[in-house]
Amino acid sequence: RKEVEQDPGPFNVPEGATVAFNCTYSNSASQSFFWYRQDCRKEPKLLMSVYSSGNEDGRFTAQLNRASQYISLLIRDSKLSDSATYLCVVNTLYGNKLVFGAGTILRVKS
Amino acid sequence: ETGVTQTPRHLVMGMTNKKSLKCEQHLGHNAMYWYKQSAKKPLELMFVYNFKEQTENNSVPSRFSPECPNSSHLFLHLHTLQPEDSALYLCASSPDRELNTEAFFGQGTRLTVV
Repeated sequence: RKEVEQDPGPFNVPEGATVAFNCTYSNSASQSFFWYRQDCRKEPKLLMSVYSSGNEDGRFTAQLNRASQYISLLIRDSKLSDSATYLCVVNTLYGNKLVFGAGTILRVKS
Repeated sequence: ETGVTQTPRHLVMGMTNKKSLKCEQHLGHNAMYWYKQSAKKPLELMFVYNFKEQTENNSVPSRFSPECPNSSHLFLHLHTLQPEDSALYLCASSPDRELNTEAFFGQGTRLTVV
């Protein structure tokens, strides 16, 4: 079983749509969770951290479910500029060993 | 401007060549990483350095040799590579190995082995 699993997509959505991605992780000792965004041929950049209580940043909402070992990302009112690959990232307690999912491709179309 | 700088941005090398990738971070971080990103595959962690000491070698072939002379600089020395080593090589840094913080990435070196 992969340490971090994501649906690769692509998710093709119209502008203004709401879209949600899920990610599951296998290591129950995982302590930190992040969503990164990667544009085509660019480096990954942190989109947001994911906290146990859930967190929101503008149109983006992240949730963590430790019991089921999954995290989610919700994007409301999608923009064309949201088109990218979204990477689920998990960090274990001991050492900064970030483990990346393969990413979910989002394409927002007009 | 990114706080993590990688050079070169693109590299084409033959299988018998020796080359080095360079990474420099201006963020005052203590941990640095090399990741490999192949087409349609997730990022793979290769090496981790914390306070200049190598703390992780993720079963990387010996044709990849890292060097960390100080907390700000990280190198990846390459020799006798194979075509399947062609990939995007990303350097990253984070404040501290133990603090479970996010990593900041450089723009990567796109390597092609011919």
